[in-house]
Amino acid sequence: DQQVKQNSPSLSVQEGRISILNCDYTNSMFDYFLWYKKYPAEGPTFLISISSIKDKNEDGRFTVFLNKSAKHLSLHIVPSQPGDSAVYFCAASAVAGTSYGKLTFGQGTILTVHP
Amino acid sequence: EAQVTQNPRYLITVTGKKLTVTCSQNMNHEYMSWYRQDPGLGLRQIYYSMNVEVTDKGDVPEGYKVSRKEKRNFPLILESPSPNQTSLYFCASSDRGLNTEAFFGQGTRLTVV
Repeated sequence: DQQVKQNSPSLSVQEGRISILNCDYTNSMFDYFLWYKKYPAEGPTFLISISSIKDKNEDGRFTVFLNKSAKHLSLHIVPSQPGDSAVYFCAASAVAGTSYGKLTFGQGTILTVHP
Repeated sequence: EAQVTQNPRYLITVTGKKLTVTCSQNMNHEYMSWYRQDPGLGLRQIYYSMNVEVTDKGDVPEGYKVSRKEKRNFPLILESPSPNQTSLYFCASSDRGLNTEAFFGQGTRLTVV
């Protein structure tokens, strides 16, 4: 039972354009969402997060949008740069219920930004 | 430098031979966890620990054990490894629990033959 899903295994974007990575979740107890970036042969690194009480969080070129009614979040990268090419994971956590203490990840999306 | 250190980075072992993957963090974090990464499945949580002597199962705990005797160390133990435990393993730590930035180790590539 995949509670966090990233339905696009890969995304290819031209440098300077917008990259939009999507994530859907099924567990209504999730109340905190995070995005991680992973380069080959390295561990994931934290990128940006959002609490369920917000619908948008921005950090430089990265913006995360949360639509609670649709159980959907997205990560926007503007403008995209070749160095952004990596695997992006979304993750979710809950402060209560059976998911408390756990961090649930999606399958990941491979982003390729072409010069 | 703040870091999470895993050892070994690469390991090939045989079925049934007990092994331990070590994880150490130097940030005095309370929360530590182990994940495995498999193609098409993303990162799945194996075990986590909210503090010393407090551990709990994640989503895929079968075949694994952990201990948290000290704050900085969180070893992952495979008592009797099997080929389906061939995977890429990551240890992570974070301050004040889940809703903060987690720092990941470099990963351990384990092959069980």
